[in-house]
Amino acid sequence: DTGVSQDPRHKITKRGQNVTFRCDPISEHNRLYWYRQTLGQGPEFLTYFQNEAQLEKSRLLSDRFSAERPKGSFSTLEIQRTEQGDSAMYLCASSLRDMYSPLHFGNGTRLTVT
Amino acid sequence: AQKVTQAQTEISVVEKEDVTLDCVYETRDTTYYLFWYKQPPSGELVFLIRRNSFDEQNEISGRYSWNFQKSTSSFNFTITASQVVDSAVYFCALSEANNYGQNFVFGPGTRLSVLP
Repeated sequence: DTGVSQDPRHKITKRGQNVTFRCDPISEHNRLYWYRQTLGQGPEFLTYFQNEAQLEKSRLLSDRFSAERPKGSFSTLEIQRTEQGDSAMYLCASSLRDMYSPLHFGNGTRLTVT
Repeated sequence: AQKVTQAQTEISVVEKEDVTLDCVYETRDTTYYLFWYKQPPSGELVFLIRRNSFDEQNEISGRYSWNFQKSTSSFNFTITASQVVDSAVYFCALSEANNYGQNFVFGPGTRLSVLP
């Protein structure tokens, strides 16, 4: 069990640029979640995959955000035309399909939009 | 809708004191799951404990214990004999099944500072 891996750890970009983050879940986990966390707040749900199917997206998720999980393995989260309000920590988590299974989080990608 | 409230924003204790972190949740489902996570200064969220809605038995695991009361929708977490390494932000989370699978909702967190 190598844990959930996220890349990059930090990303600084200028407003209007596109950014893409990658998440590699724990290999036997078929569920993958993306969350966003801002300073002093709890993680906020963005989207969720079961295998390769994206089953749910937060209503708060702008259409500038898109996520994929091809072949049900790693996932990418892309933000187009970044805005300063997108600055946050983006967290990826994975879990087994069992309803009692906890989320296992990666270290996150910290995005700073200047 | 799901909601998790952690009324304590920050708590400071002196090492070896016991500390209880409060969590109140809202859900319309009869089947749900509750979790506590720890986020140390390094940033990674670490799973600590869990409880399902059908099991109100309170447990102790090492220095951790939890008190789940469905009647008051509370899931409180206690650290006994706190240590400096317990300093972190603690999040309570609620999970329930929905039409799409399962979602987790987190509370705003309680920052615990354990002073030597």
